Amino acid sequence: DSGVTQTPKHLITATGQRVTLRCSPRSGDLSVYWYQQSLDQGLQFLIQYYNGEERAKGNILERFSAQQFPDLHSELNLSSLELGDSALYFCASSGLAGGGSYEQYFGPGTRLTVT
Amino acid sequence: KNEVEQSPQNLTAQEGEFITINCSYSVGISALHWLQQHPGGGIVSLFMLSSGKKKHGRLIATINIQEKHSSLHITASHPRDSAVYICAVFKYSGAGSYQLTFGKGTKLSVIP
Repeated sequence: DSGVTQTPKHLITATGQRVTLRCSPRSGDLSVYWYQQSLDQGLQFLIQYYNGEERAKGNILERFSAQQFPDLHSELNLSSLELGDSALYFCASSGLAGGGSYEQYFGPGTRLTVT
Repeated sequence: KNEVEQSPQNLTAQEGEFITINCSYSVGISALHWLQQHPGGGIVSLFMLSSGKKKHGRLIATINIQEKHSSLHITASHPRDSAVYICAVFKYSGAGSYQLTFGKGTKLSVIP
């Protein structure tokens, strides 16, 4: 158990809909990262937050957004969903300082299926 | 060409065999992660290293920063080692932040 929790575990929704994925980092970790794993693309970095502020952006679509709240949990919002958004979405958290290459601890993931 | 290349893509071994998975990268990095992804999808961090060698149980990871290459070794392999092993590198992405770039993974199957 990494100490990182993600909800829900599974989500099935229709095209055009909007969903919110939630992540709670390990106790004390200030950085939260979001990743997408699809069958054809593998794991891709989406976005990082550190102590409530956006720190780095990867291959995140404009239809997707994220935020980190004062209690350090984070939410990833996916809107105008398309079939191609079906994937596993992982959240990870890391060390006490942002910006460094600290070991990351992964949550169990949320499997999103768009029908 | 991917920034992180792993080989082999698929590997089948007999129980007890010594296994090596390789990772080469083309960008300057600060550190490298080896991750294990089980058939159920969960990801576990095995090692993070920026130089030399680390050992944990039957797993050994090495990195050569000059040659931009890392290897993951499994000694006395066991069927429970069957998983996808993913190499990921920390690349500086500006503004004091690092970003993980992933290899496509090596699928290992260990047969009893």
